[in-house]
Amino acid sequence: GPKVLQIPSHQIIDMGQMVTLNCDPVSNHLYFYWYKQILGQQMEFLVNFYNGKVMEKSKLFKDQFSVERPDGSYFTLKIQPTALEDSAVYFCASSPLLSAETLYFGSGTRLTVL
Amino acid sequence: QQKVQQSPESLSVPEGGMASLNCTSSDRNFQYFWWYRQHSGEGPKALMSIFSDGDKKEGRFTAHLNKASLHVSLHIRDSQPSDSALYFCAASEQSNNRIFFGDGTQLVVKP
Repeated sequence: GPKVLQIPSHQIIDMGQMVTLNCDPVSNHLYFYWYKQILGQQMEFLVNFYNGKVMEKSKLFKDQFSVERPDGSYFTLKIQPTALEDSAVYFCASSPLLSAETLYFGSGTRLTVL
Repeated sequence: QQKVQQSPESLSVPEGGMASLNCTSSDRNFQYFWWYRQHSGEGPKALMSIFSDGDKKEGRFTAHLNKASLHVSLHIRDSQPSDSALYFCAASEQSNNRIFFGDGTQLVVKP
């Protein structure tokens, strides 16, 4: 089936540093998402993105977070500066359309902030 | 308040048995529902979508939706050890694709 690739699978950084998480969405999908999962439990919505713009973001999407997808490249989540509470697994997802669409998730990036 | 609530938190069934998972929502704007499954070390993968009242069957999996009561269930018959995973109920409104996930039900199928 369709695959979403996430790079790297693990990232360890010191608090205060910048980190960029990379996502290669399904090729013909137009909508992109980031979710945060803590302790292997609840999936928390962070942001969705379409046509170069953030469409909707949650309270978890702090000012230190940003997303972009320069033409033909990865969809990225940047955190600058990082905080201890940013430690989690971050999942990227994509969908072809907006409404009533199944999300296709990557395998996640495990971020550890020391 | 959590918009999508699941029960039970964990469930153990013998191989070949029936597993029943439940989900309720507090938001009457939700129109679309999914069940996602997540195996350890992987991302969630959609099992089934259900958008209309009633039952939807796909192989060993049957989902049931009652929009009036905002209740969704998933029944897995002839459960297999490979069905052991974290199961999420998810829901969204009609106008966007901000999908809300429940806390998940951890299913263990014992050989």
